Amino acid sequence: NAGVMQNPRHLVRRRGQEARLRCSPMKGHSHVYWYRQLPEEGLKFMVYLQKENIIDESGMPKERFSAEFPKEGPSILRIQQVVRGDSAAYFCASSPLGTGTQETQYFGPGTRLLVL
Amino acid sequence: SQQGEEDPQALSIQEGENATMNCSYKTSINNLQWYRQNSGRGLVHLILIRSNEREKHSGRLRVTLDTSKKSSSLLITASRAADTASYFCATDVGNQFYFGTGTSLTVIP
Repeated sequence: NAGVMQNPRHLVRRRGQEARLRCSPMKGHSHVYWYRQLPEEGLKFMVYLQKENIIDESGMPKERFSAEFPKEGPSILRIQQVVRGDSAAYFCASSPLGTGTQETQYFGPGTRLLVL
Repeated sequence: SQQGEEDPQALSIQEGENATMNCSYKTSINNLQWYRQNSGRGLVHLILIRSNEREKHSGRLRVTLDTSKKSSSLLITASRAADTASYFCATDVGNQFYFGTGTSLTVIP
């Protein structure tokens, strides 16, 4: 059973470009979470999605950031018009049943975004 | 902020010694989990302790939870160089996980 997969592992963008980060959850998992880790800091929750639904996006900046988890295919975290402050590691996690049910979240290896 | 806070921020010990890390949080939780992150890698789940549990063991790991003090500790016994990593506690509150800033553990061979 493959774990959570994220791609690309490293992404370099120039200011103003778009960044698209992909996350494929573990087989059988329908809940996906995105976290951002700035250098020397802990992980910060961004958004929680189920298939075709955004459950909680309270941690995601209102502008330039969007996330989706379509019925088919991976979850996508999209950052438009990137700025240098967006440089960070973005981690995706998945679980079968979602938070509040004492389920473990399984993390992917992360995508390291560098904005030049 | 409901974010957990780990203490100490950094810890350096000799191989074979025990390492203790603490985590404090602010609100009632469903459970608390500890994760390890090796440099440049993703997080690895170590152990989950439920809010009605006080202590849990897994191999060389021992986790305690004191809900009255809103704190947890992670003890790694007989440390190894391979234990060198950052350790995060995460609290499950409603729909969100809250991570602390982590403890950076260095085990010197």
